[in-house]
Amino acid sequence: GENVEQHPSTLSVQEGDSAVIKCTYSDSASNYFPWYKQELGKRPQLIIDIRSNVGEKKDQRIAVTLNKTAKHFSLHITETQPEDSAVYFCAALDYTGGFKTIFGAGTRLFVKA
Amino acid sequence: SAVISQKPSRDICQRGTSLTIQCQVDSQVTMMFWYRQQPGQSLTLIATANQGSEATYESGFVIDKFPISRPNLTFSTLTVSNMSPEDSSIYLCSVQDRNTGELFFGEGSRLTVL
Repeated sequence: GENVEQHPSTLSVQEGDSAVIKCTYSDSASNYFPWYKQELGKRPQLIIDIRSNVGEKKDQRIAVTLNKTAKHFSLHITETQPEDSAVYFCAALDYTGGFKTIFGAGTRLFVKA
Repeated sequence: SAVISQKPSRDICQRGTSLTIQCQVDSQVTMMFWYRQQPGQSLTLIATANQGSEATYESGFVIDKFPISRPNLTFSTLTVSNMSPEDSSIYLCSVQDRNTGELFFGEGSRLTVL
């Protein structure tokens, strides 16, 4: 089955700096890679995703990159703001197959004002 | 998108008792997913609840401990049986957008077992 590893577990940045979170996956059949943000006491919510036919996707201050050959994908947040402080989870699934979403361990991001 | 309601939102339970968590979705969905999130940890899939058939459990989770019901396309329950302090966790139900793959989560049920 799929296994997703995520690094770092904790990341602390100064407001305005960039933050990068990296994930690797094991199942070459995975074709959908979402990123969820979970604020304290809240439910996880999708912030951006990427599919296997695309190498990069950007939405304002956040971007994701995917390297299918290396089975790596990353989340990039630029110009970080205090409200970006949260736990971020990467995930992978074979969307056309089993629909089962497997999550990484999570990264706790602290943005210091 | 989907609106998912879960209850209870939180509960404090005694060791050895059982608790049933309810999940209601505002639209008909084929599959509902139950996740566990232990304190400070990631989301671990417990089982997939299919309407009209037995739930499919992930490795490490068994039906006797986590029985699931799925009586119709908008509702599911998860029971945590014979609870121990190790079951203290947040339990989340979720549904998936069949077109995009995005997961939508309920607000979670925070269980504390004493």
